[in-house]
Amino acid sequence: DTGVSQDPRHKITKRGQNVTFRCDPISEHNRLYWYRQTLGQGPEFLTYFQNEAQLEKSRLLSDRFSAERPKGSFSTLEIQRTEQGDSAMYLCASSFGGTAGNTIYFGEGSWLTVV
Amino acid sequence: AQTVTQSQPEMSVQEAETVTLSCTYDTSESDYYLFWYKQPPSRQMILVIRQEAYKQQNATENRFSVNFQKAAKSFSLKISDSQLGDAAMYFCAYRSAEAGTASKLTFGTGTRLQVML
Repeated sequence: DTGVSQDPRHKITKRGQNVTFRCDPISEHNRLYWYRQTLGQGPEFLTYFQNEAQLEKSRLLSDRFSAERPKGSFSTLEIQRTEQGDSAMYLCASSFGGTAGNTIYFGEGSWLTVV
Repeated sequence: AQTVTQSQPEMSVQEAETVTLSCTYDTSESDYYLFWYKQPPSRQMILVIRQEAYKQQNATENRFSVNFQKAAKSFSLKISDSQLGDAAMYFCAYRSAEAGTASKLTFGTGTRLQVML
């Protein structure tokens, strides 16, 4: 078990371009979360999946953001028409089951810089 | 909505000494968990310790312990015998255990801990 992996780790893109991040959770983890973290702030919840179903989306997730988890395994987060305000680290996390005390494991994050 | 507040942006401690990081939270729920996560530079966030709101006994994990004051909505982290490897950002987080909730984590803004030789 190699933990939660995210790809790419760093992405620099021009404003207006689309970017996609991939997350591979720990195998057999049925819950997958996306968070956004800007410098000096704590992670902010974006969305989460239970298996392939997207069960909640934050209001932070504008229409330009879309997340999928097509087979209940890996997930992608796409940002269309990127803006400078999208520059942040995008964290993926996973857990097994929905019990609140279960450990949520985080990946190392994908840094996005929009220039 | 729940909120988590960490009022210490930075803290420092001498190696082998003890340091306490503060966290307060606001919620109207009675069933929840509180967590401390550690985020080393350029590394993933890892769980340090968790506390269930219904448990009166403070959680302890080796050199890490918490002081959970439910009525005051306070959840501080004490690190004993500080080591250089403890240097990191520390985030306090809240997670609802109420039925039907999303069970997402709500984080504070973090405290950067420096460990001095």
